[in-house]
Amino acid sequence: AQRVTQPEKLLSVFKGAPVELKCNYSYSGSPELFWYVQYSRQRLQLLLRHISRESIKGFTADLNKGETSFHLKKPFAQEEDSAMYYCALRGIGNEKLTFGTGTRLTIIP
Amino acid sequence: DVKVTQSSRYLVKRTGEKVFLECVQDMDHENMFWYRQDPGLGLRLIYFSYDVKMKEKGDIPEGYSVSREKKERFSLILESASTNQTSMYLCASSPGRQFNEQFFGPGTRLTVL
Repeated sequence: AQRVTQPEKLLSVFKGAPVELKCNYSYSGSPELFWYVQYSRQRLQLLLRHISRESIKGFTADLNKGETSFHLKKPFAQEEDSAMYYCALRGIGNEKLTFGTGTRLTIIP
Repeated sequence: DVKVTQSSRYLVKRTGEKVFLECVQDMDHENMFWYRQDPGLGLRLIYFSYDVKMKEKGDIPEGYSVSREKKERFSLILESASTNQTSMYLCASSPGRQFNEQFFGPGTRLTVL
């Protein structure tokens, strides 16, 4: 069984402060991990995936297989980062995505 | 630009009614998905489809069925709507198995009275 845990439902951070959204997973093999984001009044969209190892909008996420984590980080929060963030897992050979419960990030001006 | 559209943004139905939610994608994607999105529960997969006329149950299929008669269209059916099916419903599509980004529609907010 595959499972994704996002322990924080709500997270408030001051503008300019570092941001870390936590994601832990449970999966017996080597998963693919993603972060999806939903800005106010917009549709859910892919933010980044671990295989790309890229920075999108200043966000990065490193897959830590030892800790089974895929935390999302940004060194300096911006007001436009306020949104709902979902961590998601895809098992090998499987098109299904398993989503976490989401974290609502609010950046305080 | 991938476009996934859903037939309604808001829908209000009564308990016991049969409800159809339609989703159309214009990028020739093989895979299509239906999720419901609830606060505190995240996105939960209801049904998905790898190809025309193919369907597989997701994590919460009870009370729902689906239809995929054409590649671009994936319908979610509530045979007899109940109040606990009040939710935001999201449709998504993705290309074949080698590619893994899902593209989402704008959602349908369904209220069952």
